[in-house]
Amino acid sequence: SQTIHQWPATLVQPVGSPLSLECTVEGTSNPNLYWYRQAAGRGLQLLFYSVGIGQISSEVPQNLSASRPQDRQFILSSKKLLLSDSGFYLCAWSIDTRAEKLFFGSGTQLSVL
Amino acid sequence: SQQGEEDPQALSIQEGENATMNCSYKTSINNLQWYRQNSGRGLVHLILIRSNEREKHSGRLRVTLDTSKKSSSLLITASRAADTASYFCATDVGANSKLTFGKGITLSVRP
Repeated sequence: SQTIHQWPATLVQPVGSPLSLECTVEGTSNPNLYWYRQAAGRGLQLLFYSVGIGQISSEVPQNLSASRPQDRQFILSSKKLLLSDSGFYLCAWSIDTRAEKLFFGSGTQLSVL
Repeated sequence: SQQGEEDPQALSIQEGENATMNCSYKTSINNLQWYRQNSGRGLVHLILIRSNEREKHSGRLRVTLDTSKKSSSLLITASRAADTASYFCATDVGANSKLTFGKGITLSVRP
């Protein structure tokens, strides 16, 4: 069966520090991968999605970047965190580009202080 | 701007009652999906309804879609305390199939 792992679960970082969040999927190949951010009391905002290794589409210009170094690995990064980067970050995958069902990780609560 | 908007923002009901949540959207869609999120957790897919479908059932869930009104409703029958969660609608509008989520509805089911 397929599983998705996302870590860490919580993270407290000072402003200006770097960020690296990792997500891996097991049990499937060539998944579509997504990074969403959820601000408190808000909906989910799509940050990045990837249809294959090295293929990243950015949805919102921002202080973050994403990379897909391996088929089932998706990394969210920042060189210098801002206060506004705080939020709940969710990684997700789907079987194909139709995205008819997304499977989400358990999320990372990021607090930038 | 938000593609999907859920209504109401919050709903509190007694266990055993039915819960109805609504979602409106702005542009034509390929499909509409409903997800559930327990506090501090990831989202879980509940049900998908395609643009050419009007109603679907899954257990205690019933989803309707009215493309002329650009709206959908999620009905949870005979609610349980364990149904307490946030519920999101998500729409798929484009060829690249990126889901756009609403802000969610917080459902509280009192035991």
